[in-house]
Amino acid sequence: VQLVESGGGLVQPGGSLRLSCAASGFTFSNYDMNWVRQAPGKGLQWVSDVTGNGGSTHYADSVKGRFTIFRDNSKNSLYLQMNSLRADDTAVYYCVKSGSVGALDYWGRGTLVTVSS
Amino acid sequence: DIQMTQSPSTLSASVGDRVTITCRASQIINTWLAWYQQRPGKAPKLLIYKASTLENGVPLRFSGSGSGTEFTLTINSLEPDDFATYYCQQYDNYPRTFGQGTKVEIK
Repeated sequence: VQLVESGGGLVQPGGSLRLSCAASGFTFSNYDMNWVRQAPGKGLQWVSDVTGNGGSTHYADSVKGRFTIFRDNSKNSLYLQMNSLRADDTAVYYCVKSGSVGALDYWGRGTLVTVSS
Repeated sequence: DIQMTQSPSTLSASVGDRVTITCRASQIINTWLAWYQQRPGKAPKLLIYKASTLENGVPLRFSGSGSGTEFTLTINSLEPDDFATYYCQQYDNYPRTFGQGTKVEIK
């Protein structure tokens, strides 16, 4: 299993960014996928997940209405569209696969998003 | 939201020690609990799921127990690679929530 995130960078408050995650080594469409973030020096925060067929999504309250998770199973890719970014969205964002019983069994290396003027 | 509270926040131990980390959920989550290890600068790694099932490839010195609202992670005979931060996480309800982490340091 390999998960490779991209798309992080520096963005101004109020700006937008789209993160991508390229997945390989497993049947992508069979598994729920997640984004989990970690602010500098802080703990882990689950952000969002999407079911294998993309039909159902969930979000943390802190990002609801601003972030959108979606996937393209034909490209084995997961995305996170982040709008109206705030300073407290600054974090490393991990792409994470859910296992068959729901725990987060494979993690990417993460991509850093910095929201600052 | 379900609050996950870990104790202690920091733990000082020596190689060869047995250590126990506790995780308490603010409501019943049955056994929908996972433990992760995170070494500095690295992504978290799944150790245990469903409260007590060891993930493939995880050394047998790691074990988990508990159900309902009280859970423990035990590391028998600490090895140098085990000095890291450990997180519990519930996946019974949305939003998924993590404990604040327990840092295991070298005494």
